[in-house]
Amino acid sequence: SYVLTQPPSMSVAPGQTARIPCGGSNIESKSVHWYQQKPGQAPVLVVYDDRVRPSGIPERFSGSNSGNTATLTISRVEVGDEADYYCHVWDSTFAHLSVVFGGGTKLTVL
Amino acid sequence: EVSLLESGGDLVQPGGSLRISCAASGFAFIYSAIYWVRQTRGRGLEWVSGISSRGDNTYYADSVKGRFTISRDNSKNMIYLEMNSLRVEDTATYFCVKAVSADSLAFVVWGQGTSVTVSS
Repeated sequence: SYVLTQPPSMSVAPGQTARIPCGGSNIESKSVHWYQQKPGQAPVLVVYDDRVRPSGIPERFSGSNSGNTATLTISRVEVGDEADYYCHVWDSTFAHLSVVFGGGTKLTVL
Repeated sequence: EVSLLESGGDLVQPGGSLRISCAASGFAFIYSAIYWVRQTRGRGLEWVSGISSRGDNTYYADSVKGRFTISRDNSKNMIYLEMNSLRVEDTATYFCVKAVSADSLAFVVWGQGTSVTVSS
């Protein structure tokens, strides 16, 4: 089955740029979606189809996807961006559909 | 306002059964596929199941195939997940989710979740 790999944790200072990687075999052939989850809350979609921002998501959030790594970039990081971030793809083979999530990255804003 | 509201979570003994529900509102439910995603502290997010807009296609993760059944009632805007032969590892918060569209399967709408605990 398809596997997505994320670093368990990352830290960044306020105002800096956070780049959260999501690794997968030939992931550039798939559409990657990203979620932000704060404690006690449901996940929120922040980027979909590699680089599209849903309505209401700040322009500071952006995505890219190339080779074996997709990346969620958060520019000008704020304290309120501290959260868990998950990547997500759909893996489909003939007659079999599966959803895969990365293990999540806990972003700490120092 | 677009919303999904789960209910029915409970404490169940291993081997037991439980049905959880999801009430949808604020969007064209009859045209929308709906999915269940669960979350445990130890295993992060895990997709569980999905059902097409008319209910004629259903999908399951290997971990629940043969034990869980997803269904929908389009006259009531409701989604159900019947869970049988429950295991301790099924303990999780279960979210009902909706994708952006048929062409973009990102989960843009999430319910608040319902908690299922499997324990003796």
